[in-house]
Amino acid sequence: SQKIEQNSEALNIQEGKTATLTCNYTNYSPAYLQWYRQDPGRGPVFLLLIRENEKEKRKERLKVTFDTTLKQSLFHITASQPADSATYLCAGSEYGNKLVFGAGTILRVKS
Amino acid sequence: GAVVSQHPSRVICKSGTSVKIECRSLDFQATTMFWYRQFPKKSLMLMATSNEGSKATYEQGVEKDKFLINHASLTLSTLTVTSAHPEDSSFYICSAALGLSYEQYFGPGTRLTVT
Repeated sequence: SQKIEQNSEALNIQEGKTATLTCNYTNYSPAYLQWYRQDPGRGPVFLLLIRENEKEKRKERLKVTFDTTLKQSLFHITASQPADSATYLCAGSEYGNKLVFGAGTILRVKS
Repeated sequence: GAVVSQHPSRVICKSGTSVKIECRSLDFQATTMFWYRQFPKKSLMLMATSNEGSKATYEQGVEKDKFLINHASLTLSTLTVTSAHPEDSSFYICSAALGLSYEQYFGPGTRLTVT
């Protein structure tokens, strides 16, 4: 079955460092991948979208990569802040708007 | 822009009753809306795709007679959980796509507890 896998272990980093989150996919050929932020008890908030023909996308302190050979996307937050602490979700779509989500990775940024 | 609201944010109901959840796109028209369900520390699971003016498309394993979806206008979709049971307790989230964009904008979610 199609699968989007994210590291289930929480990522703990120190404020000011770069956080790197991983998203792998199997049995799947997404045309694009999206990254969302979700805070406890809230709906996800869209962050970035990257298409399969794009290697890298940036937005302010955020950067996402898409490696179709490794079947992997990396999500980076530079100069991380405690306010960046949240669960980050990776989602992919092979066609249209139908998304398959990973379970998310919890990021904790300590000051 | 691209704000989606949900109502109610929390609801507690008794087993056997029905509950309606509303999803509204506040500042844009959404031809397509999506309904998800999320269990604690789990991924969002797509339940159905709601298209304005037509029947919803349900994902495999989702009972369409139990989870009734109505997309009456370009800004409103409703999910009705009929004859709710404790196992229906979950976090229900809707989303809407903005125009031809693939980005989805999510509502704040509805926490349903069935006692």
